[in-house]
Amino acid sequence: DIVMTQTPLSLSVTPGQPASISCKSSQSLLHSDGKTYLYWYLQKPGQSPQLLIYEVSSRFSGVPDRFSGSGSGTDFTLKISRVEAEDVGVYYCMQGIHLHTFGQGTKLEIK
Amino acid sequence: EVQLVESGGGLVQPGGSLRLSCAASGFTFSSYWMSWVRQAPGKGLEWVANIKQDGSEKYYVDSVKGRFTISRDNAKNSLYLQMNSLRAEDTAVYYCARGGRGNWNSGWDYWGQGTLVTVSS
Repeated sequence: DIVMTQTPLSLSVTPGQPASISCKSSQSLLHSDGKTYLYWYLQKPGQSPQLLIYEVSSRFSGVPDRFSGSGSGTDFTLKISRVEAEDVGVYYCMQGIHLHTFGQGTKLEIK
Repeated sequence: EVQLVESGGGLVQPGGSLRLSCAASGFTFSSYWMSWVRQAPGKGLEWVANIKQDGSEKYYVDSVKGRFTISRDNAKNSLYLQMNSLRAEDTAVYYCARGGRGNWNSGWDYWGQGTLVTVSS
C-alpha cells in the first residue's frame, strides 16, 4: 500500500501570510499514461471535502489562484500565497496511482 | 448543478447490515466512476470503494472486502453500498463522491453531504 505523509500536521498562519504543506508518498505517483495522480482536498469545519488541486498542479473550477500545487514523483507541495480566514480547515493530499490513500491531514488555523 | 445526496445511515448493532444510497443529479451519472469515502469521528478520510460506469469493475479497501458491496443503477441515477457484518470500526460518515470519466485513478470532484453510520450495541 502507498503511504502518504503530510507535514506539518498543524499550521497557524496570520492572514495575508503564505502557507505551505508538504506531502510525500512511499512510491512514485507517476502513471504509465504520463499523468501524476496526486490531489489536494480541503475540508472546512462541518463540511464535506472539496477538491482544490488535481494531478499535482491543476486548480479545480472556482478555486482561487492563491492556491497552487507543485511537485513530482514522490514529493509534493500545496502553497497558499496569502492565507485568508475562509481557508481554515483540514487539508488532505490523496494518491490515485494504486487505489486511493489519503495523507493524515493538516489542520490550518488563523492566528 | 451537480448534486449527490446520501441516505440510509443510522444506528446498527455489530454484525448487522445497512444499505446506503446516493441519489445523483445534474450530470450524466452513467458517464462517471463513482466512489464511497468514509470518515470516522474526529479522524481522517478513508477511501472505501469504487465502481466503473457500467458496474463491470469494482474495487475495495482491504478492510471491507467480503463485507461491503458497491453497486449502481444508472437508470435511477443511484449509487449504493451494501454493508454486512458491520463492526464498531465501520462507524463513520460515509460520503458518495463522483470520480472521473476515464480510468479509476481520478480523484473526486463532487461530494455529497454524507450519512452517518454508527455501529454499536
